[in-house]
Amino acid sequence: KAGVTQTPRYLIKTRGQQVTLSCSPISGHRSVSWYQQTPGQGLQFLFEYFSETQRNKGNFPGRFSGRQFSNSRSEMNVSTLELGDSALYLCASSSQTGFSGANVLTFGAGSRLTVL
Amino acid sequence: AQTVTQSQPEMSVQEAETVTLSCTYDTSESDYYLFWYKQPPSRQMILVIRQEAYKQQNATENRFSVNFQKAAKSFSLKISDSQLGDAAMYFCAYRSARNYGGSQGNLIFGKGTKLSVKP
Repeated sequence: KAGVTQTPRYLIKTRGQQVTLSCSPISGHRSVSWYQQTPGQGLQFLFEYFSETQRNKGNFPGRFSGRQFSNSRSEMNVSTLELGDSALYLCASSSQTGFSGANVLTFGAGSRLTVL
Repeated sequence: AQTVTQSQPEMSVQEAETVTLSCTYDTSESDYYLFWYKQPPSRQMILVIRQEAYKQQNATENRFSVNFQKAAKSFSLKISDSQLGDAAMYFCAYRSARNYGGSQGNLIFGKGTKLSVKP
């Protein structure tokens, strides 16, 4: 069973540009969450999608957005990039069929974004 | 708001020995879940162990076990018979059991503990 796949693995952008990151969840998983990981702030929750609907959102500016497609694949977009957006962006999926805080998240290897 | 604190930025252990990583959390909720995740240099976060707050029995997964002290809001991870492959960043995480409008709720992570294993 394939794991959570994130693309691209590495990318370099300049300030002011925008970027789109992709996440393919484990087959059958309908919930996708995104996290940002930086040395200073650690791991912070961005947003969660389930059945193409955003269910939960973290405390990030509107420059950060996401969406989920009917096949559960998800993308996140960051517009007007800032130096502080340099981070590892992690996607995680779970087989949530109903609410349960016990649902385990399976993470991808992340997309490393560097903003110059 | 809930917070998770890992007070040991770095730890070191000799191969085959036992090491304990500390985690404390702050919450006013009574029902929640706690997790330990491992992040090796490959960057992929891997679930090590999970504990439900309503269970008094400490979770165990092979060489990994936890000491869950609900009243003290403490959730430490013990790694027995440490192996070279255990070297990684370890993150403690909290998730509420509340239903936030259908969301499963996000994980709140500690800052992590970097574990080195000496041969």
